[in-house]
Amino acid sequence: ELQLVESGGGLVQPGGSLRVSCAASGFTVSSNYMSWVRQAPGKGLEWVSVIYSGDSTYYADSVKGRFTISRDNSKNILYLQMNSVRTEDAAVYYCSRVRGSHYYYHGMDVWGQGTTVTVSS
Amino acid sequence: DIQMTQFPSSVSASVGDRVTITCRASQTINNWLAWYQQRPGKAPKLLIYAASTLQSGVSPRFSGSGSGTDFTLTISGLQPEDFATYYCQQANTFPPRWTFGQGTNVEMK
Repeated sequence: ELQLVESGGGLVQPGGSLRVSCAASGFTVSSNYMSWVRQAPGKGLEWVSVIYSGDSTYYADSVKGRFTISRDNSKNILYLQMNSVRTEDAAVYYCSRVRGSHYYYHGMDVWGQGTTVTVSS
Repeated sequence: DIQMTQFPSSVSASVGDRVTITCRASQTINNWLAWYQQRPGKAPKLLIYAASTLQSGVSPRFSGSGSGTDFTLTISGLQPEDFATYYCQQANTFPPRWTFGQGTNVEMK
């Protein structure tokens, strides 16, 4: 069974740091594009970041320079390091597998259950 | 960034109804569009990719169409489990600046 399980959410102060994790099973993180999507309370979905199978990383303008996506191939885990956190970063963070390449896009087909990040002093 | 405008933002419908949701991109995205369903408190679920291809395991009462800038998601014969929020999402930009529509809430009449 293909599965993603996020962890690491919690309370962080404005300006602080937090790392959320996403453990994959049933497939290999390093062979796929992997993405983070967030959803602020009562709001819609917002794409945050993607890491390509070739290690290229990309970010939404709202988090560029503050967040870093990475993966541990040996553990099959995806990470999102969040630095200089702002109140507007408070959200449920979902990781997802992306079926795509430079030539096609077949959507985010596997999602985790989400982990909640709360930003407050 | 490409803006995705979904309408209506909310629709009231009954079981058995046909529901159509529209998504309009601010510039052409070819067919690099996906549709997702999200039930309250749950993760999104992929329904349609490449604008019109049904994801494996998804009910055929869901269908997608469109290309360029205008796309539609149709639910034929609404079922109780279909009351949820639906999002379109484009992935036609490089470097990636993927964007979602604001969502359409399908609620029970």
